[in-house]
Amino acid sequence: GAVVSQHPSRVICKSGTSVKIECRSLDFQATTMFWYRQFPKKSLMLMATSNEGSKATYEQGVEKDKFLINHASLTLSTLTVTSAHPEDSSFYICSARAVGTDSPLHFGNGTRLTVT
Amino acid sequence: GEDVEQSLFLSVREGDSSVINCTYTDSSSTYLYWYKQEPGAGLQLLTYIFSNMDMKQDQRLTVLLNKKDKHLSLRIADTQTGDSAIYFCAESTKGNKLVFGAGTILRVKS
Repeated sequence: GAVVSQHPSRVICKSGTSVKIECRSLDFQATTMFWYRQFPKKSLMLMATSNEGSKATYEQGVEKDKFLINHASLTLSTLTVTSAHPEDSSFYICSARAVGTDSPLHFGNGTRLTVT
Repeated sequence: GEDVEQSLFLSVREGDSSVINCTYTDSSSTYLYWYKQEPGAGLQLLTYIFSNMDMKQDQRLTVLLNKKDKHLSLRIADTQTGDSAIYFCAESTKGNKLVFGAGTILRVKS
């Protein structure tokens, strides 16, 4: 089945630093990947849609300069949390769908970010 | 706008059936999904149903869709302790985005 790999699974960083999270589709190509954020005991909130070769589309209320998204190839999207603050601590999950199909979204295992 | 609602908690005994319910608002949804999340992990796709179907069965899992009432349910037969997790219902909206419910915590007592 379709596999989405996310790295790292956990990261701890200091306030003011930047953190990059990678999302890879291992056995399929994805023109579109989605980045979600999950707060404790809450549902998933879509942050942005990552489009291969073009700018990401951000949801309302999500700062594009703070959460930089790059989708440089059909199998890789990255999310960089810039100048991280403790309130950015969260669980970030990416998802992807194979190109040209109606197949369902498959999710990575998530990245637990802790900003100290 | 789009909205998905689920009950927050369900407790069952091992071996019983579990039924998790979900309602959604977007009548143009093409697919509806059930995902499972174990503590500290990402989301695992359990099953999904196309909006023109009423039922889908996959081993211990049965999905029922009432499109008129915009109601989706997931039945887990012979529930096991390993089924304890959070279950998310989601609908696919325009642009292939998923809108998630808040998740139902399933607790299985042995």
